Formats: sequence, structure tokens, C-alpha cells
Amino acid sequence: SQQGEEDPQALSIQEGENATMNCSYKTSINNLQWYRQNSGRGLVHLILIRSNEREKHSGRLRVTLDTSKKSSSLLITASRAADTASYFCATDTPWYNNNDMRFGAGTRLTVKP
Amino acid sequence: ETGVTQTPRHLVMGMTNKKSLKCEQHLGHNAMYWYKQSAKKPLELMFVYSLEERVENNSVPSRFSPECPNSSHLFLHLHTLQPEDSALYLCASSQEGGRTSGANVLTFGAGSRLTVL
Repeated sequence: SQQGEEDPQALSIQEGENATMNCSYKTSINNLQWYRQNSGRGLVHLILIRSNEREKHSGRLRVTLDTSKKSSSLLITASRAADTASYFCATDTPWYNNNDMRFGAGTRLTVKP
Repeated sequence: ETGVTQTPRHLVMGMTNKKSLKCEQHLGHNAMYWYKQSAKKPLELMFVYSLEERVENNSVPSRFSPECPNSSHLFLHLHTLQPEDSALYLCASSQEGGRTSGANVLTFGAGSRLTVL
């Protein structure tokens, strides 16, 4: 089944550094989304990038999409301790009905103060 | 709060019990979802309801039974569960209009942590 796969599984950095997480997927997509999850809580939508877009920004977040490589990256600049969370990519595929969002296992980001 | 409320937040049940998880959304969305999240595994899509009709069931065991009485409420009825069913169960909602815009953004509840003894 179609789903995003995040890499690395875990990432630990110092406050102020940049964090980069990657996502790969297998088939064509309508769009790709990134979500954040604090420990034991629900997921929160961060940003959506459509298949015809290559880069998108939102505050300290920068998302890129390379449909030829079937990959996306999420960059968090000037990280803060409050950015500590798990980050998931989710793919929305054209031949599923649009209510079928597939998620990966996530990247666990730890930002040390 | 995100506008999607799940109760109870924590549930411990024996294998022979019958219990239910409840989800309520106040966002005016018309699609609702149940996901299962186990440690270090991808989120598993269990059920999707669109306009109160079930549109997807990803081969979930019959010991899980969903119910969607209206577009604001979603239940997951649980009976004769197994210890491996212990997980965080997440409810989400979205606006069906995403179907035509090609953008289906989900709003999640905080989850119900289920432990099966």
C-alpha cells in the first residue's frame, strides 16, 4: 500500500541547529503533507505541497518535493527545544479516493537546549 | 484543543470486555477516520466515513466495529480484543471538498490510549 517512509528514524540536534528529515514514497501522488506529533498526542498538520510544486515555506519550515525521485524533505531552521516531536509525511494518491491518507512511521526529532 | 475530541483518553480492558471509543468533531467536516498507532510502526488507517457512509475498511478484524451516526460523531466499538490491539487510537476529520481540490488535510484528536490485558 502507498505510504511515506521517513528517514532518519531518529535525529538529535542542539538548539539553534537546522534539522532535515526526508520522506520517500512509491507511486504518483496528488500532494504530500507533513504532520507533527508531540508525545502521546494527535498529529498536527504543518504544511502541504502539491505535486506540481517544488518548494514551499512556512515560518521556519521549508519543504521540498522531487517527484522524479519520489522524495520530499522537511527542513526546520534555527531549531528550538519546543520542536522536539515526531514528524510524519503523508501521501495522498490519485487512484485512491481522496479520503485515503497514508502515513509513515515518522522521524523522532530531539532538540537539546 | 483541535476541534476533534476523543474520549476516553485512556482505557484498560480485559480480553472479554466490550467497550467503545468516542470521537466528536466541531469543525463542520464531513469525513471522519480511525487510525491505529503502534510503537515504531506507520499509522494504520482502519476506517473512513464520508458523509456518514463507510467508504473504506482496510481489512480490519471484526472485533473492531465502527459506527458513524452523523457527520459529527464517530465510535469504535471494541469486543474480545487481543493484547496486540493495545495502541493509540486516533480519530481525525477532514472536509470532503478536498476531493475536488486535491488537498485532504486531516485534523486529529489527541487519541485514546488502549491497553488490553
